[in-house]
Amino acid sequence: GQQVQQSPASLVLQEGENAELQCNFSSTATRLQWFYQHPGGRLVSLFYNPSGTKHTGRLTSTTVTNERRSSLHISSSQTTDSGTYFCAIDPLGSSGNKLIFGIGTLLSVKP
Amino acid sequence: DPKIIQKPKYLVAVTGSEKILICEQYLGHNAMYWYRQSAKKPLEFMFSYSYQKLMDNQTASSRFQPQSSKKNHLDLQITALKPDDSATYFCASSQGLGYNYAEQFFGPGTRLTVL
Repeated sequence: GQQVQQSPASLVLQEGENAELQCNFSSTATRLQWFYQHPGGRLVSLFYNPSGTKHTGRLTSTTVTNERRSSLHISSSQTTDSGTYFCAIDPLGSSGNKLIFGIGTLLSVKP
Repeated sequence: DPKIIQKPKYLVAVTGSEKILICEQYLGHNAMYWYRQSAKKPLEFMFSYSYQKLMDNQTASSRFQPQSSKKNHLDLQITALKPDDSATYFCASSQGLGYNYAEQFFGPGTRLTVL
């Protein structure tokens, strides 16, 4: 089965609304990273967050490792937040820092 | 000023041919990776290298061969190309493999189309 599950698969917001993206993983993860993929394809690391809570700007990531879940909160969304958000884990036992990706959450923010 | 350079940005190849995808990073990182993203599959890990040594290989086919001539280079040679190889290939790097150094940063990708 899929090791990294993300929900929702897609989300449409009005500008200014908040969003909560979820990531659940079936393997014990030693590392976890959130990425944003621009509509043009570029992948940007948002958070490296194996455990705990991290903030940057309007984004907050919370990972609860022993419950095998992480969330990405976007506050006061803007049209420029539109794109795909990926959660990726490095499973326990991996020797090469291999990231396994979820299928992503496609976010569309309307003006 | 891009810190991870991938060349070319777009590549069109014919079935059966061979191509090399170039990746250079100027972040001073010791670990480099290749991933693939196609319409049919999510982002998929292919290889990881640390100090120019192969650490993990999740690519079943020997047609895919990474080549590391310098610590900050990790090229990907693909032989006997097939239409199913059509995808965007991303190079990534991290400071290292250890817990505190493992955050990965991605290049802009090479979009390969095999006709």
